[in-house]
Amino acid sequence: NAGVTQTPKFRVLKTGQSMTLLCAQDMNHEYMYWYRQDPGMGLRLIHYSVGEGTTAKGEVPDGYNVSRLKKQNFLLGLESAAPSQTSVYFCASSYAPGRGAYEQYFGPGTRLTVT
Amino acid sequence: DQQVKQNSPSLSVQEGRISILNCDYTNSMFDYFLWYKKYPAEGPTFLISISSIKDKNEDGRFTVFLNKSAKHLSLHIVPSQPGDSAVYFCAASATSNTGKLIFGQGTTLQVKP
Repeated sequence: NAGVTQTPKFRVLKTGQSMTLLCAQDMNHEYMYWYRQDPGMGLRLIHYSVGEGTTAKGEVPDGYNVSRLKKQNFLLGLESAAPSQTSVYFCASSYAPGRGAYEQYFGPGTRLTVT
Repeated sequence: DQQVKQNSPSLSVQEGRISILNCDYTNSMFDYFLWYKKYPAEGPTFLISISSIKDKNEDGRFTVFLNKSAKHLSLHIVPSQPGDSAVYFCAASATSNTGKLIFGQGTTLQVKP
């Protein structure tokens, strides 16, 4: 089992460029999440999905879009990158609450710099 | 509005001693709490959790205590080891069908040999 994997690991973008971060999990989890981590601010939820074909906004969704076309994949898109989106991005997955009691499994992260 | 707060950005303890990491929350609807550990350049990994129906949960060297009336939880590591040096995040969740976690800012623990 690879668990949760993220592609790419590092990326540098210029302001206004677009990119897609890919998250894949092989644990057959129903729920998937995208977080960003910034110094002194912990992890903040960007978007999440409770199942294939569904997405919902988290705490800081502006400037991001997501798609969950397959159960094992969750994509995070930046249409027009801004320096404020410089961050470390983590993907996580979990069973539906009640089975795994909210425990989420995280990927290794993607470090994104926007210049 | 920070619903989950870890007021100590860093903590330094001697190997073999107890490490106590603290976390406060404001939302009385939270009913499940977790601690995650994070090494540099890695994703957070689950450490231990506690339901609001309990006041203590123990797993080896790690014990989490929950004081609902004070809206406070703490993580005790005994004895502390150099390999425990990492950033520790507490997280909270309210019963719902979304499984969303609200994270604190994190506390960096350094265990000195």
